[in-house]
Amino acid sequence: SQQGEEDPQALSIQEGENATMNCSYKTSINNLQWYRQNSGRGLVHLILIRSNEREKHSGRLRVTLDTSKKSSSLLITASRAADTASYFCATDAGSWGKLQFGAGTQVVVTP
Amino acid sequence: EAQVTQNPRYLITVTGKKLTVTCSQNMNHEYMSWYRQDPGLGLRQIYYSMNVEVTDKGDVPEGYKVSRKEKRNFPLILESPSPNQTSLYFCASSLGGGGEKLFFGSGTQLSVL
Repeated sequence: SQQGEEDPQALSIQEGENATMNCSYKTSINNLQWYRQNSGRGLVHLILIRSNEREKHSGRLRVTLDTSKKSSSLLITASRAADTASYFCATDAGSWGKLQFGAGTQVVVTP
Repeated sequence: EAQVTQNPRYLITVTGKKLTVTCSQNMNHEYMSWYRQDPGLGLRQIYYSMNVEVTDKGDVPEGYKVSRKEKRNFPLILESPSPNQTSLYFCASSLGGGGEKLFFGSGTQLSVL
């Protein structure tokens, strides 16, 4: 079963704009991770936020975590065409070895 | 270069013909895992391994087998493939458990006719 669910399913923006996507989950977690996937290739880890953290930054990425609402958001600032990809959240709910992924948000950035 | 290597990249086979997808990592990672990706369903875990000779089922293990005889290798075996196993498969590894940063292979696109 999917623990995390991303919203929206798809997002189309222009270069320079910000892209925001959300992830909701159902049970308590130890941490939440975001990954990027380019066109059917392997996923690449972007950022990990632990349950006792509220916000984290990495370059143009900003991730927030609200454990009371069981939700996280990923913000990509000043989007570039190279940011076109699918973005997945993944949750570690403490069941050792079971990192569960959502269905992803497909982002298209047009020049 | 630190990497997870999967082979083959593409595979077309027929129902019932046994196949193996290989996975190898060169990072001395304890944890390895197999996922399948289907449209609209995200990634679903098939099997994972915490260390040599230690494996466990994920969410969708039916029809698959794995083995972990060496730390670096974690092959996925389909003994009698069926069309519903047509999917994009990923191997991943991490230093510790499944809650840590995962390193993914490039994927294997399997078609079972």
